[in-house]
Amino acid sequence: SYELTQPPSVSVSPGQTARITCSGDALPKKYAHWYQQKSGQAPVLVIYEDSKRPSGIPERFSGSSSGTVATLTISGAQVEDESDYYCYSTDSTGNGVFGGGTKLTVL
Amino acid sequence: QVQLVESGGGVVQPGRSLRLSCAASGFTFNNYGMHWVRQAPGKGLEWVAIIWYDGSNIKYADSVKGRFTISRDNSMNTVYLQMSSLSAEDTAVYYCAKEGAAAGSGPDTWGQGSLVTVSS
Repeated sequence: SYELTQPPSVSVSPGQTARITCSGDALPKKYAHWYQQKSGQAPVLVIYEDSKRPSGIPERFSGSSSGTVATLTISGAQVEDESDYYCYSTDSTGNGVFGGGTKLTVL
Repeated sequence: QVQLVESGGGVVQPGRSLRLSCAASGFTFNNYGMHWVRQAPGKGLEWVAIIWYDGSNIKYADSVKGRFTISRDNSMNTVYLQMSSLSAEDTAVYYCAKEGAAAGSGPDTWGQGSLVTVSS
């Protein structure tokens, strides 16, 4: 079955740039979407279609995709950005797939 | 604003069935696909199923295929997840989520979730 691979954890100091990657063989042909999930809360969409930012999401959140790797970048990470982040895409049959999640620590 | 409210969760014995509902408001329900996504305690997100805006296309994760059924009632602005032959591995918070504007765009808005606990 199709898999999306994320690093389990990323750690940065406040004000630094955090980059979270998502690897998948189908990403050259399929969009990646990114979700932020804080403890005990429902996920929130922060990037869709590789690089688009929903209204209300701070400009420090950006996304890109090249080949089989999609990247979520948080420029000038803040303490409140400390969360779990998940990438999402679809396989060749249209089934949804989430990455395993990355715990971002900002301290 | 978009609102999704799940209901129907609870404690159920192994092998039994349960139906979750998700009531939608704040958008034109019959224009959008709807997802179910679950999250086991302390684990990551797992995509479960999607139903297209008109119910014409349905897909399931391999882990639930043949046991779970997604359906929708566009007159009631509600999507359902009928779960059968439940096991401990199905214990999770179940979220319904609205598909984005473009097909294949993924979930863009989520409910708060409904906890399902499978235990004897």
